[in-house]
Amino acid sequence: NAGVTQTPKFQVLKTGQSMTLQCAQDMNHEYMSWYRQDPGMGLRLIHYSVGAGITDQGEVPNGYNVSRSTTEDFPLRLLSAAPSQTSVYFCASSYGGGTEAFFGQGTRLTVV
Amino acid sequence: GEDVEQSLFLSVREGDSSVINCTYTDSSSTYLYWYKQEPGAGLQLLTYIFSNMDMKQDQRLTVLLNKKDKHLSLRIADTQTGDSAIYFCAVSGYALNFGKGTSLLVTP
Repeated sequence: NAGVTQTPKFQVLKTGQSMTLQCAQDMNHEYMSWYRQDPGMGLRLIHYSVGAGITDQGEVPNGYNVSRSTTEDFPLRLLSAAPSQTSVYFCASSYGGGTEAFFGQGTRLTVV
Repeated sequence: GEDVEQSLFLSVREGDSSVINCTYTDSSSTYLYWYKQEPGAGLQLLTYIFSNMDMKQDQRLTVLLNKKDKHLSLRIADTQTGDSAIYFCAVSGYALNFGKGTSLLVTP
């Protein structure tokens, strides 16, 4: 049972490049979410999804897109990377709202 | 959005008890969580408490919830150097709302 899998673990981008951070879960969870973690800021919610085909914005959605075409996958797209998007990104999933969330190991992204 | 506040740093001596505090604003949260993050690692769920409980004990961990004051605390008994980490309080909603984390330093 893999849980929540994020790829890649590390990534360096140049300003203006685009890329997709992958997140997959094999627990048949309906709820999935993306967070970014910056020093001294805790985890801030970027986007979340309560089921396939349904997504919504979190606290810091600008510069990111998401889609949820399947229950298992919730990719996060950076449209045009900026140095301010240098961060550690975590994906999480849960059975429902308010239930235990399981986290991936994170993707460390550096934008130069 | 939800406001979740934590003190940023706590330093204790090995063998002492640690108490990490958290306050929140949304009284409708069903679950309240404590996560632990060691350097360079992801988040590990330590424990959680339902909003209709006042206290939960799990080995060295004790969670206290004061719903009236919207205050949550995590007590770690007999703190060890391996407990040094960042501890996050989080409250439930469609997604989790996190505090900024409390860095716990355990000194020998």
